[in-house]
Amino acid sequence: DAKTTQPTSMDCAEGRAANLPCNHSTISGNEYVYWYRQIHSQGPQYIIHGLKNNETNEMASLIITEDRKSSTLILPHATLRDTAVYYCIVRAPRPTGTASKLTFGTGTRLQVTL
Amino acid sequence: DTAVSQTPKYLVTQMGNDKSIKCEQNLGHDTMYWYKQDSKKFLKIMFSYNNKELIINETVPNRFSPKSPDKAHLNLHINSLELGDSAVYFCASSQRETGGDSPLHFGNGTRLTVT
Repeated sequence: DAKTTQPTSMDCAEGRAANLPCNHSTISGNEYVYWYRQIHSQGPQYIIHGLKNNETNEMASLIITEDRKSSTLILPHATLRDTAVYYCIVRAPRPTGTASKLTFGTGTRLQVTL
Repeated sequence: DTAVSQTPKYLVTQMGNDKSIKCEQNLGHDTMYWYKQDSKKFLKIMFSYNNKELIINETVPNRFSPKSPDKAHLNLHINSLELGDSAVYFCASSQRETGGDSPLHFGNGTRLTVT
């Protein structure tokens, strides 16, 4: 699975949009971009994923560049509860009956402040 | 309503002991995983089971033995515990892969401390 690069940390004021970038320049055509976050003392939480098109759900939006070499996770109105480590992961599909090794990097520590 | 639940949440034990961590998911998923998060916060996969069959085993010492009695449960048994086994262990599950869009759902972890 392709490697990703994220900034180590970011700050965001509460109520503002948090834009978390991720570079995945070696991504393959069939690899998905996944975002997870880990709030202190909890398990990783799935946020969103996409292949080529931009995606939006109740938690966030995912913007993937046309060449798919980078993406941005957008939390439209960050709250203090969004303070967490955010992981960008690229992952290829696997044949039925097998599993993929979701490989976590170091992620971006997002600090939301008042 | 907990989707992936692990017990116990905390486990403190002495070197040389044998201990087990239990995991259950009520999502109807076919695949379950064990991940280890060390003191530097790196999350690494240890094992994966699909329909009770081991499909990923990531160079984990033989002292670690996963057991899947059914597809809703994946337990982790650790023999002869060592200081270096201290970590947070996360269980996860996912739906069977059908095109790559099957997110993992994680439990809240078991913090193991070996003294």
